[in-house]
Amino acid sequence: EDKVVQSPLSLVVHEGDTVTLNCSYEVTNFRSLLWYKQEKKAPTFLFMLTSSGIEKKSGRLSSILDKKELFSILNITATQTGDSAVYLCAITGANNLFFGTGTRLTVIP
Amino acid sequence: NAGVMQNPRHLVRRRGQEARLRCSPMKGHSHVYWYRQLPEEGLKFMVYLQKENIIDESGMPKERFSAEFPKEGPSILRIQQVVRGDSAAYFCASSPGVGSYEQYFGPGTRLTVT
Repeated sequence: EDKVVQSPLSLVVHEGDTVTLNCSYEVTNFRSLLWYKQEKKAPTFLFMLTSSGIEKKSGRLSSILDKKELFSILNITATQTGDSAVYLCAITGANNLFFGTGTRLTVIP
Repeated sequence: NAGVMQNPRHLVRRRGQEARLRCSPMKGHSHVYWYRQLPEEGLKFMVYLQKENIIDESGMPKERFSAEFPKEGPSILRIQQVVRGDSAAYFCASSPGVGSYEQYFGPGTRLTVT
């Protein structure tokens, strides 16, 4: 059965800190891994990763995939209070996304 | 370019009533997915539809739940005879294709069963 495990479950940091969120997975037929940010509403798409070792970057956020070790990390540098959210990792199944339970990030001013 | 639209945003039903949740995909997207998020849990896949076809309903409870995506109009998730355990946020997502395409989510419908 497909499995996505995210760690840590929750994280509290101060503004300006750098954080690394982890996502490990087991899947029969890997196609892609996606990261979403969820505040009190719809998950917002961040990145889709399909190839190992190629970093995707958007502003202060970046992510990379390791298909050999079956994990991905999401980095956020110089965190701001607006980064407070639940960050969801998902893998693409046959017809759907299979989500982890998320990492709740709280950034304190 | 409007995103995925869902209505209502909040829905309160008494036990035994029916709930109808609507989803209009992004323009140009013909693939619709429904997910359920229980309090403090991750998003769980329910059903995947294309126009007039249910492609995968492996995540749908066998009873009381149904979904459709007619040729015209929004996709509808229908829950009959709701129970307290149905209280959750129901999210719809759409994509331009299946497989390695990102899915874009609507704002969700928060269903509360009293």
